[in-house]
Amino acid sequence: QSALTQPPSASGSPGQSVTISCTGTSSDVGGYNYVSWYQQHPGKAPKLMIYEVSERPSGVPDRFSGSKSGNTASLTVSGLQAEDEADYYCSSYAGSNALEFGGGTKLTVL
Amino acid sequence: QLQLQGSGPGLVKPSETLSLTCTVSGGSISSSSSYWGWIRQSPGKGLEWIGSVYYSGTTYYNPSLKSRVTISVDTSKNQFSLKLSSVTAADTAVFYCARHLMGSWIYYFDYWGQGTLVTVSS
Repeated sequence: QSALTQPPSASGSPGQSVTISCTGTSSDVGGYNYVSWYQQHPGKAPKLMIYEVSERPSGVPDRFSGSKSGNTASLTVSGLQAEDEADYYCSSYAGSNALEFGGGTKLTVL
Repeated sequence: QLQLQGSGPGLVKPSETLSLTCTVSGGSISSSSSYWGWIRQSPGKGLEWIGSVYYSGTTYYNPSLKSRVTISVDTSKNQFSLKLSSVTAADTAVFYCARHLMGSWIYYFDYWGQGTLVTVSS
């Protein structure tokens, strides 16, 4: 059982927006602004999409955005494209020099 | 372009020690502000942080695995390694080595290896 809770699946049609949630506690997501999101295509290594809640690494499209409210972080993908279909994982610093991941959300582009 | 290549046995017997090495190319493992880590993914499951190391040897471990994990670094070979002792079938996973985003301590990973599948079975 993962420390951070994500919905197992999410979906949207091309061009639409979809939001994936990541719920933790005040000891992780709620306590620090060190939340990140990773995209993983089948058989591939994860790719960093968002860090520090809402920052995008160079090369990541601005269709991807992140936010946080209380103990829940969110990843929003706007203008869905076929290549966005993948698994998405959130991660958070949990204090005491430890990192946690969510269980992952499978995003389907209909 | 920084590249990470994990290597090690793909099959380990129960109760034995799993050993993996990650070789870094295209950059120095001794680069300041760079931490290096191991993450695993059990078949069909999510990601789990195992631990991270600085080139100086400072380590940080997942509390749930700390008693069985040792991560070390060899700057002369530009490598860092993972040892996981007393393995069981539950340790079967794809093991990724990765670099933490520079300047971010151990919060985020920006470069990942391709992943090494390790199966625990007799």
